[in-house]
Amino acid sequence: SAVISQKPSRDICQRGTSLTIQCQVDSQVTMMFWYRQQPGQSLTLIATANQGSEATYESGFVIDKFPISRPNLTFSTLTVSNMSPEDSSIYLCSAKRTGGLEQYFGPGTRLTVT
Amino acid sequence: AQSVAQPEDQVNVAEGNPLTVKCTYSVSGNPYLFWYVQYPNRGLQFLLKYITGDNLVKGSYGFEAEFNKSQTSFHLKKPSALVSDSALYFCAVRDIKTREYGNKLVFGAGTILRVKS
Repeated sequence: SAVISQKPSRDICQRGTSLTIQCQVDSQVTMMFWYRQQPGQSLTLIATANQGSEATYESGFVIDKFPISRPNLTFSTLTVSNMSPEDSSIYLCSAKRTGGLEQYFGPGTRLTVT
Repeated sequence: AQSVAQPEDQVNVAEGNPLTVKCTYSVSGNPYLFWYVQYPNRGLQFLLKYITGDNLVKGSYGFEAEFNKSQTSFHLKKPSALVSDSALYFCAVRDIKTREYGNKLVFGAGTILRVKS
């Protein structure tokens, strides 16, 4: 398995501001992903973080709202921009190793927007 | 398109009894299937996966799952439940047609498992 850490673990933010979430993996992985888990709901894939290039976004998610960086194989950031209360969710980072099929998840960042 | 259904919002079982958490899926090709568990205020932990081969796969913490292609199901099972198994369980599917779907995992809505002593 891969050990994945996220910072911050939780935050309370005011509407209109932005928050950047960091994800660090303990070893090199081929793919990193960002998911959103809205209160009481399942996980939805936001985007695949590509090393050194623009992320690949899922339908309903756009780069202006959720800019993502992945400067190297073990680190990625997700920014939630111009936040509204509807952005209150848990944001999870995951990673997949070379040759592996399962994804491993970080502990999540619990975001509350007031 | 890929989809996963977990028909039960909650499953209640007594400690020591067998448990089953149900999952059905829909994919256009052949599936990769996964089970994850989420404890309160924690991320998801990988339990087990089905890729190919034996329809009964074994995973962590004594859990197993049975793949049934004709019923498009992948139910999670454990012969004897523990109170510590109480958590939120997610089934997920990935379509093998990677050109079309990449590495996208689609998750079910989740099932709360409550094991009572």
